[in-house]
Amino acid sequence: ETGVTQSPTHLIKTRGQQVTLRCSSQSGHNTVSWYQQALGQGPQFIFQYYREEENGRGNFPPRFSGLQFPNYSSELNVNALELDDSALYLCASSLSGRAGTDTQYFGPGTRLTVL
Amino acid sequence: RKEVEQDPGPFNVPEGATVAFNCTYSNSASQSFLWYRQDCRKEPKLLMSVYSSGNEDGRFTAQLNRASQYISLLIRDSKLSDSATYLCVVNGNGNKLVFGAGTILRVKS
Repeated sequence: ETGVTQSPTHLIKTRGQQVTLRCSSQSGHNTVSWYQQALGQGPQFIFQYYREEENGRGNFPPRFSGLQFPNYSSELNVNALELDDSALYLCASSLSGRAGTDTQYFGPGTRLTVL
Repeated sequence: RKEVEQDPGPFNVPEGATVAFNCTYSNSASQSFLWYRQDCRKEPKLLMSVYSSGNEDGRFTAQLNRASQYISLLIRDSKLSDSATYLCVVNGNGNKLVFGAGTILRVKS
């Protein structure tokens, strides 16, 4: 519906492993933001990329990293997984880097479980 | 103190009822305010933006009080399909959305 897709839908990992989550933005959207949503909480901002450069970061450790590619796809990488990383990971695309004026369209999310 | 605070509910209301959700935010420099709706195990979807003058979209009315740093959402004539979590959202530091924890609404027949 939003034109934003994410893969995989679900993922199970064990502590200490590394994971890569993928997002495909709407065509023409230069900005992608990633959010972590723990059970019963609202989404928390991880970071944002604009034209392949990081454009803001939330309160997440460096083991959370990202990449954005010219073809409107992006990745979220998490190293050294911890149990608390279990959450729904959402990406959202928008036209520009101005969150206050551009609607962010969310993908369906990847549900990560860390055992 | 959380940047955006909401009453978690749940609000259990009968069909046809009017229900109001409130939200407060701490960053007085915030410029944009939004309500998102999130169905169970789905992604958030934009419901409406909130302006100082208030805005209405069908059965939904949103209000902003900058002096009190308070946002509200009113739903009239509730439908079963309105059952969802309603997320109050404020833009923060120019390029990120700050979400409240959400208010759960359950509309029952």
